[in-house]
Amino acid sequence: NAGVTQTPKFQVLKTGQSMTLQCAQDMNHNSMYWYRQDPGMGLRLIYYSASEGTTDKGEVPNGYNVSRLNKREFSLRLESAAPSQTSVYFCASSQASGMRYEQYFGPGTRLTVT
Amino acid sequence: GESVGLHLPTLSVQEGDNSIINCAYSNSASDYFIWYKQESGKGPQFIIDIRSNMDKRQGQRVTVLLNKTVKHLSLQIAATQPGDSAVYFCAEALTGGGNKLTFGTGTQLKVEL
Repeated sequence: NAGVTQTPKFQVLKTGQSMTLQCAQDMNHNSMYWYRQDPGMGLRLIYYSASEGTTDKGEVPNGYNVSRLNKREFSLRLESAAPSQTSVYFCASSQASGMRYEQYFGPGTRLTVT
Repeated sequence: GESVGLHLPTLSVQEGDNSIINCAYSNSASDYFIWYKQESGKGPQFIIDIRSNMDKRQGQRVTVLLNKTVKHLSLQIAATQPGDSAVYFCAEALTGGGNKLTFGTGTQLKVEL
C-alpha cells in the first residue's frame, strides 16, 4: 500500500515548455487534489476532483489543466511553463465521506522553471 | 477569499516541554479543522482533526482545542521530542463543498536538546 505517489520527484523546465505531473493513489479515495507550495507559505489549491469524472478550479488555476484519468489517477499539466510556476507541487487524496475528510499527501514534485 | 492564519511563525521549545501552536481562522462557517505536520522535503502528514461540534479532541501526545467564539484553534504537543521538529499547518474546510482545505502559512517548531 503505497498511498499517494507522484512522478517525477524533480523537474527543470525552460520557459514555454510543457509537462505533465502524474499522481496516483491506491486507497480507493473518491476525491483528489493538486496544491502548490511556495517557500515559507502554506499550500494553495490549484484544482480538485471531488469524484471520478469531475474537476473544478481551486484558488490558483491559471496556467494549469487537469485530467482525472480514472479513480486512481489525477494528472496536472502545464501547457507553457513560466518562472512564476516554480514551486513544489503536492497531490492529495481523500475519502471525503461520513465523518472523515482528512487528505493524504504525496511526497511532492519540485519544479524549477528557468 | 477568507484565510487561515497563524500567530507565531517560529516556536522553540526544550525537549520534554509541552508545545502549543496557535491558529486563527476567519471563516465562521467552517465546520472541519485539521492539523498537519510537514518535515523538510516531505509532504504534509495528517496529525489530528476536529469538527465544529467539538471543543477538544485528543490523540497520542496531541490535543486540539477549538474555540469557536474567538475563531481560534490550537495544537498542544505533550513532552515534545526532537522528532516533533517540523512545520505545522492548520487547515479549515466547509464540508460538502468538495472538501476543499484552506491552509494557514505554517509554524516552524524547533525542539532544543
